[in-house]
Amino acid sequence: GAGVSQSPSNKVTEKGKDVELRCDPISGHTALYWYRQSLGQGLEFLIYFQGNSAPDKSGLPSDRFSAERTGGSVSTLTIQRTQQEDSAVYLCASSTYTTDTQYFGPGTRLTVL
Amino acid sequence: QQQVKQSPQSLIVQKGGIPIINCAYENTAFDYFPWYQQFPGKGPALLIAIRPDVSEKKEGRFTISFNKSAKQFSLHIMDSQPGDSATYFCAASTQGGSEKLVFGKGTKLTVNP
Repeated sequence: GAGVSQSPSNKVTEKGKDVELRCDPISGHTALYWYRQSLGQGLEFLIYFQGNSAPDKSGLPSDRFSAERTGGSVSTLTIQRTQQEDSAVYLCASSTYTTDTQYFGPGTRLTVL
Repeated sequence: QQQVKQSPQSLIVQKGGIPIINCAYENTAFDYFPWYQQFPGKGPALLIAIRPDVSEKKEGRFTISFNKSAKQFSLHIMDSQPGDSATYFCAASTQGGSEKLVFGKGTKLTVNP
């Protein structure tokens, strides 16, 4: 079956512009996670959804970052007024919640010029 | 405050060698410890995971050793192959893995032919 998909795979934007990153989880997975991977760093948690609600948003670095999930499926991560320090690979993962394995997508590489 | 410390940052071994990657954690509430393997341009993929009620788990050539009292766990790769060359991340989570994963900063492994 299809894995987690993310789009776009690459995004180049100018400082100050808004960007939207999309995640399509594995069908039937109720939990969805966003992480950020900066060069030379591990993966940093951003936000987690259970269904359409977000019980843990503690990793969002600033109010410029927001995320939503609709229909218990697709999620969008929005970064407003992008800054150069937002450049990173943004990874999405999903799980069934009843199991512990988080399955990751290939990521979106964001470059802010 | 980094909650999961991983070492070494990079590791080079010859084919057939046994690379060992170590991680230490601080939060005693962690109860799920996975290892992820990541190839360039790809998302991380679960390799093997352990819970604190066992001291060792083996899957194929990969073994996790877990020391609850020392709050440390390690990954051993037996009979390493050039195809094992990748970046390896340890992680930890509470609530059996349904919560966010806290990652180490990764170890870049190179297995020379």
